[in-house]
Amino acid sequence: EPEVTQTPSHQVTQMGQEVILRCVPISNHLYFYWYRQILGQKVEFLVSFYNNEISEKSEIFDDQFSVERPDGSNFTLKIRSTKLEDSAMYFCASRQRREPNEKLFFGSGTQLSVL
Amino acid sequence: ILNVEQSPQSLHVQEGDSTNFTCSFPSSNFYALHWYRWETAKSPEALFVMTLNGDEKKKGRISATLNTKEGYSYLYIKGSQPEDSATYLCASASWNYGGSQGNLIFGKGTKLSVKP
Repeated sequence: EPEVTQTPSHQVTQMGQEVILRCVPISNHLYFYWYRQILGQKVEFLVSFYNNEISEKSEIFDDQFSVERPDGSNFTLKIRSTKLEDSAMYFCASRQRREPNEKLFFGSGTQLSVL
Repeated sequence: ILNVEQSPQSLHVQEGDSTNFTCSFPSSNFYALHWYRWETAKSPEALFVMTLNGDEKKKGRISATLNTKEGYSYLYIKGSQPEDSATYLCASASWNYGGSQGNLIFGKGTKLSVKP
């Protein structure tokens, strides 16, 4: 069964460093998302992406964040200068259609720890 | 801003017990309610997506109901097994926030532990 893959599974970085989290969505999906969950808190929407551009972003997704689909398969989230509060589990998700009743397919997440 | 709440936060049951948990969401401009199951070190996986008031869906021993007028959904697990141990996430999409984009607003989840 096709699945969303994320790498790395764990990332430890120093505050102020740049990190790139990578995702390979399911191949025939057109809509891509990043979510995150800070320990003990809710899963939060960061950004949605379609047709090589951002469709919608949350207040969390400030200038320090960017997303890119550099080739036909990868979808990346970059944090330019990490802060302690960026420590979280980051999930990539994809789906074929953007309708709200279409389920999301998630990757297994990247646990980011900022020291 | 949508607020999706789940209760309880965690639940410990014995194998064979039946259990249920609650998801509450704003009923205004509601579009869809999703339930996901998230096992440790794995991907969250969709269980159900419901849209209509009174919807009831079933998958094996797990079922879910939806009340869009009062803004809640119940997830039931009949005869819990150790392999049911996971965090169960619900998420809502409405017309106000993300309805056109389909973005989901999640609750904190209910962490279920089933002891053999």
